[in-house]
Amino acid sequence: AQTVTQSQPEMSVQEAETVTLSCTYDTSESDYYLFWYKQPPSRQMILVIRQEAYKQQNATENRFSVNFQKAAKSFSLKISDSQLGDAAMYFCAYRSRYSGYALNFGKGTSLLVTP
Amino acid sequence: NAGVTQTPKFQVLKTGQSMTLQCAQDMNHEYMSWYRQDPGMGLRLIHYSVGAGITDQGEVPNGYNVSRSTTEDFPLRLLSAAPSQTSVYFCASSYGGIATNEKLFFGSGTQLSVL
Repeated sequence: AQTVTQSQPEMSVQEAETVTLSCTYDTSESDYYLFWYKQPPSRQMILVIRQEAYKQQNATENRFSVNFQKAAKSFSLKISDSQLGDAAMYFCAYRSRYSGYALNFGKGTSLLVTP
Repeated sequence: NAGVTQTPKFQVLKTGQSMTLQCAQDMNHEYMSWYRQDPGMGLRLIHYSVGAGITDQGEVPNGYNVSRSTTEDFPLRLLSAAPSQTSVYFCASSYGGIATNEKLFFGSGTQLSVL
């Protein structure tokens, strides 16, 4: 099974600043999808951004962008102009194109946003 | 539009008891799945289904049963609850068909404690 590693259990950022959350994964496949999910204290899982492995262009969603390095098997999330509402657990996830939609999640990074 | 509905939201069981966690979606999604979330472990896949009558095991299936008699419902049964099954359980669904970067729609979770 593919493994997803988030090496930063906790991160902190000041409001309006930029923060980058790291994610690496292990796979022998060439075609797959990568995701970042946000889980605020409400426990709801919210999709932040997604990336197809065959696309070289990094995905962007408003203040959220990724740095996808396929050869290095790295998929970091950059949050620009951080807001208090960005405080949450962030999970990186991998899905094989061929495995029936199962997601493999990392252990998560807790993001604290300070005023 | 209700999305993915999980019941109950909270449950306390005694060791050895059995129970069923309910999950229903009203989006006509083919794919449904159950995850458990333990502190420091991220989300792990228990079972999943790619359509009515079709189920398969995920990463941590032991102690759980599932069935999929309709497209809408995907109940998770704990056969004989153990303290190790204390966790937050999430049901999730998405569109089937050709694999793309389909977003998973999550329920709000069930907090289960086994004493």
